[in-house]
Amino acid sequence: NAGVTQTPKFQVLKTGQSMTLQCAQDMNHEYMSWYRQDPGMGLRLIHYSVGAGITDQGEVPNGYNVSRSTTEDFPLRLLSAAPSQTSVYFCASRPGHLNIQYFGAGTRLSVL
Amino acid sequence: GENVEQHPSTLSVQEGDSAVIKCTYSDSASNYFPWYKQELGKRPQLIIDIRSNVGEKKDQRIAVTLNKTAKHFSLHITETQPEDSAVYFCAASMEYGNKLVFGAGTILRVKS
Repeated sequence: NAGVTQTPKFQVLKTGQSMTLQCAQDMNHEYMSWYRQDPGMGLRLIHYSVGAGITDQGEVPNGYNVSRSTTEDFPLRLLSAAPSQTSVYFCASRPGHLNIQYFGAGTRLSVL
Repeated sequence: GENVEQHPSTLSVQEGDSAVIKCTYSDSASNYFPWYKQELGKRPQLIIDIRSNVGEKKDQRIAVTLNKTAKHFSLHITETQPEDSAVYFCAASMEYGNKLVFGAGTILRVKS
């Protein structure tokens, strides 16, 4: 089991560019989430999914889109990157019967 | 929505001493309270959790206590070791809920 895999590990964008952060899990977990981590603010939920085809907004969804076409994949799209989106992004998954979140290694994003 | 406050933001202890981190939450419907440890440059990992039907839970040198009336819960680490140095996050959610709300984190430094 690879667990939760995130790509890329690092990314630099210019303001206005778009990109997709990839997240894949091989544990057949129903639930997947995206968090962003900023200094002094802990982890904040961006979007989450309770299964293929079902997504919902978290605390800070503006500027981000998600989709869940398969159980394994949960990509996060930045439509028009802004400097305020500079952060470390973590994807997480959990099985339906437990609330233990398994995190990926993170993507460090800088928007110039 | 739920709001979780965590104190202190930084904590320095001597090796062998105890460390206590405290969190308060606002939503009385929350009944699941995990603690995550994040080492420098790594992903968060669950170290212990507690549900609302339990007042205390221990796992070797780590314990968590919950006071539902006062809406606060605490992490206790005894006989601290240098490898305990990390950022610790508390969180709260409804049982099996996907909307984990995290505290801002506590940087724990164990001096040898």
